[in-house]
Amino acid sequence: GAGVSQSPSNKVTEKGKDVELRCDPISGHTALYWYRQSLGQGLEFLIYFQGNSAPDKSGLPSDRFSAERTGGSVSTLTIQRTQQEDSAVYLCASRPASGANVLTFGAGSRLTVL
Amino acid sequence: DQQVKQNSPSLSVQEGRISILNCDYTNSMFDYFLWYKKYPAEGPTFLISISSIKDKNEDGRFTVFLNKSAKHLSLHIVPSQPGDSAVYFCAASLHGSGNTGKLIFGQGTTLQVKP
Repeated sequence: GAGVSQSPSNKVTEKGKDVELRCDPISGHTALYWYRQSLGQGLEFLIYFQGNSAPDKSGLPSDRFSAERTGGSVSTLTIQRTQQEDSAVYLCASRPASGANVLTFGAGSRLTVL
Repeated sequence: DQQVKQNSPSLSVQEGRISILNCDYTNSMFDYFLWYKKYPAEGPTFLISISSIKDKNEDGRFTVFLNKSAKHLSLHIVPSQPGDSAVYFCAASLHGSGNTGKLIFGQGTTLQVKP
């Protein structure tokens, strides 16, 4: 696609429920990143995928968070047993395999946990 | 451990004047630096970048300066326009093969340009 597409744009859920957030990166971009931005905070790195390599999960805040990338394209971020502190905007970004480290971001998925 | 810091949460300038946004980093291994702009309800958009082999990069009204010895970079916008009002994030990364290319972001500075 022309840009990074994320869905849903907004998600309101109850504490304890599981949520899935989807990211469709730019076609041909092999590297995919998930970040989150909590209220008043900067962008916090969560996870990175590059081709068939093992993902860099070093930023995932707890084992309730997981992500997968199927077929080297679409990625899903799953948060199990959501907590109120999980409320944030979850941003996905992608970039080509080579060239400058310039990430292209999607518009984000705003998650609100009640 | 905040490796990239933007110590000014907000900045207000008059239209036509210069806006200077500052950023400090702690990891001397960072070799590529970027500025992103973010409007409400949108994702961050890339603005300008600079490699550590340079000390200045200019693109139109936007100039980024890098002072490696001070571990400091700044973004200058001149002349500032009301449409520049947004949150500005600086970011740093380790470039090159073997690195993930993940960006470490500062907390952001909200710029308001008054007409």
